[in-house]
Amino acid sequence: GNSVTQMEGPVTLSEEAFLTINCTYTATGYPSLFWYVQYPGEGLQLLLKATKADDKGSNKGFEATYRKETTSFHLEKGSVQVSDSAVYFCALGTQGGSEKLVFGKGTKLTVNP
Amino acid sequence: ETGVTQSPTHLIKTRGQQVTLRCSSQSGHNTVSWYQQALGQGPQFIFQYYREEENGRGNFPPRFSGLQFPNYSSELNVNALELDDSALYLCASSPGMTSNYGYTFGSGTRLTVV
Repeated sequence: GNSVTQMEGPVTLSEEAFLTINCTYTATGYPSLFWYVQYPGEGLQLLLKATKADDKGSNKGFEATYRKETTSFHLEKGSVQVSDSAVYFCALGTQGGSEKLVFGKGTKLTVNP
Repeated sequence: ETGVTQSPTHLIKTRGQQVTLRCSSQSGHNTVSWYQQALGQGPQFIFQYYREEENGRGNFPPRFSGLQFPNYSSELNVNALELDDSALYLCASSPGMTSNYGYTFGSGTRLTVV
């Protein structure tokens, strides 16, 4: 079946540190992959996406590359800010039939000044 | 363009009651999906509506039901509420059924069942 595994949190970093949040997936076919961000008390915002192997999604300094050979889509940012503090969700889009998003459990990031 | 709006933002119900949650999809979007997000977990797919027809359902019992209207807005109804139904309910819309779009989410309705 389809599933997403994210690194366990919480993750605490100092401002300007490098961020990596690992995400691996299991899926049939070739799913699209997404990173969503959830700020406290809010819904989900699409951060970036990649729809095929070797694609790199990027937005607001965040990047993730669709690696089919390792079934991974790790999120990275070179220099985090306090405003990046949020919960980050990796998700895959199922293909065919009823298409939906399958989410990981989320990784809480706290960035300290 | 307006995004996805959900109402109400918060709701408290008693076990056994019924609840209706509402969602207005983003302009130009004809597909609406509902997700349940329990505290500390990722969202779980409940069902999807495309042009007023249910187009897939997750692992939720029949007491979870929905509707989509001609203007593509949607309702989620939950009957015989249970304590475990306490969660954030998220509505997401997209311009088509394919998951490649990624969906636009609303801010959610926080349901508490006591």
